[in-house]
Amino acid sequence: GQSLEQPSEVTAVEGAIVQINCTYQTSGFYGLSWYQQHDGGAPTFLSYNALDGLEETGRFSSFLSRSDSYGYLLLQELQMKDSASYFCAGGDTGFQKLVFGTGTRLLVSP
Amino acid sequence: GAGVSQTPSNKVTEKGKYVELRCDPISGHTALYWYRQSLGQGPEFLIYFQGTGAADDSGLPNDRFFAVRPEGSVSTLKIQRTERGDSAVYLCASSFGGAYLYNEQFFGPGTRLTVL
Repeated sequence: GQSLEQPSEVTAVEGAIVQINCTYQTSGFYGLSWYQQHDGGAPTFLSYNALDGLEETGRFSSFLSRSDSYGYLLLQELQMKDSASYFCAGGDTGFQKLVFGTGTRLLVSP
Repeated sequence: GAGVSQTPSNKVTEKGKYVELRCDPISGHTALYWYRQSLGQGPEFLIYFQGTGAADDSGLPNDRFFAVRPEGSVSTLKIQRTERGDSAVYLCASSFGGAYLYNEQFFGPGTRLTVL
């Protein structure tokens, strides 16, 4: 089956750096993407990795190692507004069908 | 431009009733997706349309669930004989589709369905 596991909760302070891990057990995933979701809000796209390595988008970076079935999202210079849930999602070719992970709730404190 | 819209935002119904949930995708997006999200969990894929046809409906839990997209734009998710276990937020997303390396999915605000 397809499953993506994430830590349930991560806490950090403003200005810090935090890493949210995602390990997956599946076949057929073309790559990994990351979504942010504030309470009561819609998921919004952050980043994706179709190839191994690091992708950087402003304060957010994402990493993928397909041989290890592992990826992570790195958030730098944390701000209070980054408090939200973060989901990794495995995608088939073209990321047409996403399988979402269990989600990580990030709490940023002053 | 306008994002993905979903109506109604909230729907309360009684067990056994029929409900319809509507999704208006971003103009020009050929791909449309339905997900279901229970509290504290990630979205769960239900069905994906490319144009008017359902390209993948493997996530529909049973034959009480059905979705249509007759003109390749607006989609309706239909649930017959609702059960309390159907209570969740139903999310719709759309993307450009086609042969791109990556198709970012843009999500709507969701419809919160409560079955009493």
